[in-house]
Amino acid sequence: TQTVSQSDAHVTVFEGDSVELRCNYSYGGSIYLSWYIQHHGHGLQFLLKYYSGNPVVQGVNGFEAEFSKSDSSFHLRKASVHWSDSAVYFCAVSATSGSWQLIFGSGTQLTVMP
Amino acid sequence: NAGVIQTPRHKVTGKGQEATLWCEPISGHSAVFWYRQTIVQGLEFLTYFRNQAPIDDSGMPKERFSAQMPNQSHSTLKIQSTQPQDSAVYLCASSLGQGTGQLYFGEGSKLTVL
Repeated sequence: TQTVSQSDAHVTVFEGDSVELRCNYSYGGSIYLSWYIQHHGHGLQFLLKYYSGNPVVQGVNGFEAEFSKSDSSFHLRKASVHWSDSAVYFCAVSATSGSWQLIFGSGTQLTVMP
Repeated sequence: NAGVIQTPRHKVTGKGQEATLWCEPISGHSAVFWYRQTIVQGLEFLTYFRNQAPIDDSGMPKERFSAQMPNQSHSTLKIQSTQPQDSAVYLCASSLGQGTGQLYFGEGSKLTVL
């Protein structure tokens, strides 16, 4: 059974701060890990994903995430946030074989203060 | 590229009425997914199609919910005898055929059952 845990429901930072949003997963097989952003009233937008290779992957708008097999983690980071980064961020896992469904975490609401 | 198109954006029904939600995937994408999003349950997988064939409907409620994909350009989610607990945002997403963990979401259809 795949599970995704996002331990922080809310994170508040100031514009220009760095931020890390945490994601831990549980799955025994080969997986894809991904992050999505959802602005209020809209659908989800893909940010980045990891399958293999360099554990640090770069995404859009300055986001990056780092995979750690030992910690079963895939944390999202940004060095300097902008007010427009305020949104809900979802971590997701999907198997590389079998069903293609994505299992999402519960989301982290990021609020960037001016 | 118009993205995934969902209609209607908002639908209000009375208890016991039927609701049909429409999704037009991105042209050339062979997989279509349906998710339900609520504050309490978060993002729940419902079902998905690959090349118009139903592949995994493990998340679909056994009663009153059905999904179809009669052609490659649209999919429908039908809810019969709607109940207040069906109130949610229903999200459609499509992806290329590789099952890479990258989905393209529509803006969602917000269903309110009075």
